[in-house]
Amino acid sequence: DGGITQSPKYLFRKEGQNVTLSCEQNLNHDAMYWYRQDPGQGLRLIYYSQIVNDFQKGDIAEGYSVSREKKESFPLTVTSAQKNPTAFYLCASSQGVSNYGYTFGSGTRLTVV
Amino acid sequence: DQQVKQNSPSLSVQEGRISILNCDYTNSMFDYFLWYKKYPAEGPTFLISISSIKDKNEDGRFTVFLNKSAKHLSLHIVPSQPGDSAVYFCAASGGYDMRFGAGTRLTVKP
Repeated sequence: DGGITQSPKYLFRKEGQNVTLSCEQNLNHDAMYWYRQDPGQGLRLIYYSQIVNDFQKGDIAEGYSVSREKKESFPLTVTSAQKNPTAFYLCASSQGVSNYGYTFGSGTRLTVV
Repeated sequence: DQQVKQNSPSLSVQEGRISILNCDYTNSMFDYFLWYKKYPAEGPTFLISISSIKDKNEDGRFTVFLNKSAKHLSLHIVPSQPGDSAVYFCAASGGYDMRFGAGTRLTVKP
């Protein structure tokens, strides 16, 4: 079955540590995205990538980094520079432009203590 | 800068009745509008969409209405079922740029 896999589902880290969230898709989609969800707010775009070896900052990219070395993979690193890293992180992919809807992963809940 | 707004954080309806979820947007460059459904600890799943050249799109119990002059869209669920209880996100798209509202939690009571 095709889909997006995010791992792990829950992640705990100490303040000041970098952490990398995994996102893998086998849908052969060109575009991939990272969103953050906080209570009472919509999904906010962190980074997106339209093709391999290319990515763009979204609205809240500060304190995050990404790479897109393979079409299937779009890992997100939450660095110690991110002031409020505790959140629910969602990865998504789409074929071409976003009009046809995104396929989302099941998310990773990151808690920084 | 919230370009997509869902002003009702929650909605409760009785099973069998109509659920109406509302969404407003500010950017007239959006040309596609979508609704997603989300259960706790899961990613959103695509529900229904509408192009800006249409004013209505129907899929079974779900209908989305678009009023471009008012920059407003709504999702109607008829009849509502307990399994429809979830958070519904409105989204607006222009190419690779998709913006989401904050979501409305729908509870359908048996």
